[in-house]
Amino acid sequence: DPKIIQKPKYLVAVTGSEKILICEQYLGHNAMYWYRQSAKKPLEFMFSYSYQKLMDNQTASSRFQPQSSKKNHLDLQITALKPDDSATYFCASSQEGFSNERLFFGHGTKLSVL
Amino acid sequence: QQKVQQSPESLTVSEGAMASLNCTFSDRSSDNFRWYRQHSGKGLEVLVSIFSDGEKEEGSFTAHLNRASLHVFLHIREPQPSDSALYLCAVSAGANTGKLTFGHGTILRVHP
Repeated sequence: DPKIIQKPKYLVAVTGSEKILICEQYLGHNAMYWYRQSAKKPLEFMFSYSYQKLMDNQTASSRFQPQSSKKNHLDLQITALKPDDSATYFCASSQEGFSNERLFFGHGTKLSVL
Repeated sequence: QQKVQQSPESLTVSEGAMASLNCTFSDRSSDNFRWYRQHSGKGLEVLVSIFSDGEKEEGSFTAHLNRASLHVFLHIREPQPSDSALYLCAVSAGANTGKLTFGHGTILRVHP
C-alpha cells in the first residue's frame, strides 16, 4: 500500500484556471515537501514544511501556495495556471531530527496546462 | 548554489554486467547523499543513502562517496532488465536534509 497518497494522478487544466494537488502521508512523519519535475529540468525542490509550518520556499511565484490543514496533509494550490506549469509534482515526507532520515516520495501528480 | 551533475546521460549494459553511475556535486559542505530510481511514469524509490566517505551497500546497490573529489558513485551488481530506469543522484547539506538538489539522472537500460 502506498504510504504517501497523491491525488489526482493526472490533471488537465486550462490556462488561467486554479487547481489543488492533494497529498497525504501515513508514515507518521513530521516534515513534508513538494518537488517539481518538468521535461527540461531536474527534479526541483519547491517547499518544505515541518510540524505544519513553512520552513523553506524556493518557488519564486506566489501562484504556488501550500496548504496544511492537518499534520499529515500538505496540499498545493496553484492559481492562474500557465502552460509552463506543466510538470509532475511530487510530494515527499521525512522524519526530521534523525541524522540518517530518508525522504520518501509519492507517485506524483502529472499536471498538463493547455 | 549546489550543482549536481550525473554521467553518463544514458548507459546500456548486458544483464549481469556491473553498471557504474557517476555523480559530482559542487558544495563541499554537502553531507547527505542519496540515490533514487524512477521507473517510467512512476514515483521515486530510494536505493541507498550515504553520509560519510567510503562505501554503503544496500542489496545489489553500492554507493561510494569521496567528498574530497566531490564524487559519489553508484554501482549496480548483476543488474536485471527490471533495473532499467532513470537513476537520480540527490545531495543535501546541513540540517535541512529534506531539501535535496537532484541531478538530471542517468537512464540505464539492461539488455537480457
